[in-house]
Amino acid sequence: DAKTTQPPSMDCAEGRAANLPCNHSTISGNEYVYWYRQIHSQGPQYIIHGLKNNETNEMASLIITEDRKSSTLILPHATLRDTAVYYCIVRVATAGTYKYIFGTGTRLKVLA
Amino acid sequence: ETGVTQTPRHLVMGMTNKKSLKCEQHLGHNAMYWYKQSAKKPLELMFVYNFKEQTENNSVPSRFSPECPNSSHLFLHLHTLQPEDSALYLCASSQETLSSEQFFGPGTRLTVL
Repeated sequence: DAKTTQPPSMDCAEGRAANLPCNHSTISGNEYVYWYRQIHSQGPQYIIHGLKNNETNEMASLIITEDRKSSTLILPHATLRDTAVYYCIVRVATAGTYKYIFGTGTRLKVLA
Repeated sequence: ETGVTQTPRHLVMGMTNKKSLKCEQHLGHNAMYWYKQSAKKPLELMFVYNFKEQTENNSVPSRFSPECPNSSHLFLHLHTLQPEDSALYLCASSQETLSSEQFFGPGTRLTVL
C-alpha cells in the first residue's frame, strides 16, 4: 500500500504559486520523501527530494513538517507546462536497494 | 532525455504472441526497475534488479519474465498475455546511494488484442 495520500486534483492560475500537499504519517526516520511529475503518459520526471530539511532547486521547493508526517511541494510561478500529475513518494528500503511505492497523485491543472 | 531508453515505444500483440521489451540506461547505475501503469491506476512496481540480481518480484504473473544480462540492460519477455495486461510499461534506473533518485524511460505502450 502507498505510504502517501494526496488530493486527487488541484487548479492553479498561471503565474501563481502552486502548493501541493502530501500526507505521509507512517514515514520512518530514514525514509526520504520524493516528488515526481508525469506529463501525459510520459515517464515520470524527478522534481525534488528531502529527508527532514526544506529543500529548493531550480524547479521547486519542498517543505517538510518538523514531525515529518506531511510535506508540501511548491512550484513558485506555475506555467501551463506544469500541468501534470504530481506524485509524492516515500522511498523504502528493500533487499539491499530501495523502491518507490506510488500513490494516485494529484492532477494539477494550470489555468491561463 | 533522462539517459534511459526503451524500445519499442508502442507494441500491439495478440494473446498468443511472444515479444520482448528492452530498456537500456547510459548512466552507469546499478539498479533497474520495471513498472506497470494501467489506465487510471498508480504505477505498480513489478521487478527490481540490483547488480544484475533480482531483488524483488512483486507477485507478477509468470507470463512476464524479466532478464537482466548486465547492469545497463533490462528486458521484459512477454508471452500469452491477456487484454488486461495492456498498459504503459516503464523502466527506471538508479544509483543506489542513500539519497539517489530514479530516472525513468519514456515507456512502452502495450496493447494486447
